[in-house]
Amino acid sequence: AQTVTQSQPEMSVQEAETVTLSCTYDTSESDYYLFWYKQPPSRQMILVIRQEAYKQQNATENRFSVNFQKAAKSFSLKISDSQLGDAAMYFCAYRRGINNNDMRFGAGTRLTVKP
Amino acid sequence: DAEITQSPRHKITETGRQVTLACHQTWNHNNMFWYRQDLGHGLRLIHYSYGVHDTNKGEVSDGYSVSRSNTEDLPLTLESAASSQTSVYFCASSPDRGLNEQYFGPGTRLTVT
Repeated sequence: AQTVTQSQPEMSVQEAETVTLSCTYDTSESDYYLFWYKQPPSRQMILVIRQEAYKQQNATENRFSVNFQKAAKSFSLKISDSQLGDAAMYFCAYRRGINNNDMRFGAGTRLTVKP
Repeated sequence: DAEITQSPRHKITETGRQVTLACHQTWNHNNMFWYRQDLGHGLRLIHYSYGVHDTNKGEVSDGYSVSRSNTEDLPLTLESAASSQTSVYFCASSPDRGLNEQYFGPGTRLTVT
């Protein structure tokens, strides 16, 4: 079974600084997709960034980027120039294959942004 | 604008009662999902559907059931609510089995006393 591990229950960053959230996953598949979702206090789940496993290039979305290390099964999220609005729970998620919608989520990392 | 809604947003019920949580999406997505969110576990898949009359069990399906009679709705039923089912429940949908993301509803907080 696929598992997703987020080893940092809580993280803190100073406004305008950079923070990296860790995620590792366990799979024997070669075709899969990885996601980072943000959940602010409103509870709404918002997609931050996604990565296809077959792509070597790391995904980037404005201030958000990932460091995808396929051999190490690692998928970390880097937030640059942190803003107060980035404070939220962040979930890493794994989905096996293009024809499968069964997503597995990590336990989450609570990010605090200090002014 | 298309959206996905859940009702009720908050529900308190007693042990042993049947409870149904509603999920409605206006995107015309084929795929719909139910998750529960608990501290320390992230989101765990309960049931999912790839289309009308199709339903599948997820990781934590015991004590839950779903039915899909149309594209827009996937109600989640707790046949006999238990205190262990106190949780926040999220519904999600996605357009097909491709690499598209899942779109989540706002969640329903269910308390079983």
